[in-house]
Amino acid sequence: RKEVEQDPGPFNVPEGATVAFNCTYSNSASQSFFWYRQDCRKEPKLLMSVYSSGNEDGRFTAQLNRASQYISLLIRDSKLSDSATYLCVVTQYSNASKIIFGSGTRLSIQP
Amino acid sequence: DAGVTQSPTHLIKTRGQHVTLRCSPISGHKSVSWYQQVLGQGPQFIFQYYEKEERGRGNFPDRFSARQFPNYSSELNVNALLLGDSALYLCASSLGASGASDTQYFGPGTRLTVL
Repeated sequence: RKEVEQDPGPFNVPEGATVAFNCTYSNSASQSFFWYRQDCRKEPKLLMSVYSSGNEDGRFTAQLNRASQYISLLIRDSKLSDSATYLCVVTQYSNASKIIFGSGTRLSIQP
Repeated sequence: DAGVTQSPTHLIKTRGQHVTLRCSPISGHKSVSWYQQVLGQGPQFIFQYYEKEERGRGNFPDRFSARQFPNYSSELNVNALLLGDSALYLCASSLGASGASDTQYFGPGTRLTVL
């Protein structure tokens, strides 16, 4: 079983729709959580950190569920420019750092 | 302000050769992490360095090594290159190496092709 798992998609949704995807992680000792977006042939860019209390940034909402060991990303009123691959990241700091990326979920917004 | 920079941008090597990739972090950042990304996959963690010491290591063979210099820049070295080492190598910097200071900011990457 992978340490961090994401549905690879692609998610093809019409412009203006709401889309949500989850990411599950296996190590309950994981400490920090992030969503990154990556455009084709570009480097990943931070979208948002994920906190237990949930956090919102404009049309984007991220949630962390420690009991069920998943994080989620909700995108409202989707735009064509939201088309990208969304990567979840989980970090662990026991006696050494470990930073684990999911394989990414591809999102394609259709006009 | 300059972001994370990496050099070279592209590199072509043959099997068995050695390669050195370079990374300069964002000013003020003390941690550098290295990742390998193959097409269709997320970045795979190779190393993290903080204050010139190795703080974490992923599941990569000993052919992969790295170091961090007093100015916090870093090198990734790969010996005895294999065809499977062809990938995008990403460097990321962060303020620290844990907790709230561990948000990673990525450079544009070095695309390595092994023939």
